Amino acid sequence: QQPVQSPQAVILREGEDAVINCSSSKALYSVHWYRQKHGEAPVFLMILLKGGEQKGHEKISASFNEKKQQSSLYLTASQLSYSGTYFCGTDRGSNYQLIWGAGTKLIIKP
Amino acid sequence: DAGVIQSPRHEVTEMGQEVTLRCKPISGHDYLFWYRQTMMRGLELLIYFNNNVPIDDSGMPEDRFSAKMPNASFSTLKIQPSEPRDSAVYFCASSEGFYTGELFFGEGSRLTVL
Repeated sequence: QQPVQSPQAVILREGEDAVINCSSSKALYSVHWYRQKHGEAPVFLMILLKGGEQKGHEKISASFNEKKQQSSLYLTASQLSYSGTYFCGTDRGSNYQLIWGAGTKLIIKP
Repeated sequence: DAGVIQSPRHEVTEMGQEVTLRCKPISGHDYLFWYRQTMMRGLELLIYFNNNVPIDDSGMPEDRFSAKMPNASFSTLKIQPSEPRDSAVYFCASSEGFYTGELFFGEGSRLTVL
C-alpha cells in the first residue's frame, strides 16, 4: 500500500526550512528518501531503519517514528539546489520491495 | 565508476513493435532493479535481481514484459508487443545491498509508443 506524503507541494524562499512527511498504514522496517530533479534520475538522501539506524548525507536529517509508521525529512536553511521532488520509499522487511509515495514537489525561490 | 548505464536514452516506436531496454549496473553491486515512472502511477518496481537471479517479478504488468540478467554486468527489459500505455520512463538501479546503502539509478530510458 502506497505511503502518503505531505504536503504535495511547497514553495519556499531561500534560507527557509521545510518538513516533508511520509506515513504508512502498515508497520515498516525501513524508510528511504530520494530527491529527483526534473528530467533526472532519483538521487539517494537517506535510509532510516527500524531500531534507529540511519545512513545518509550529513546535511540531511530525518526521523522515523516506528510506532506511528511515519517519517519526516527536515530541510533547513534551504538552498536553490534543494528544489525537486522528494520521494519516500517504504519497506515492510519481508520482500525487499520499496513502495514509493507520490512525491512532494519543493520549489525554492531566491 | 561510470555509474549505472542505460540505453537507449530515448525510444520512439509504434504499437506492436518489440522494445529492448538495456542496463549495465555498477560493478560489484549484487542487486539490480527495474522501475517504471509515469505521472499517473509514479515510481513502480517492475522486477529485481539478486546475484543475477530474478527474485520478485510481481510488478511486471503483463506477459508482454520480460527481463533477463545473463551476467553480473548486463540486464535487459523487453516489451513485446509494445502498447501506447507502456509509454513511460524506465529506470534501472543497482545497489550493494538492500539495507546497506543507496540505490544508484541510471539516467533512464524514455519510451514513447505511438
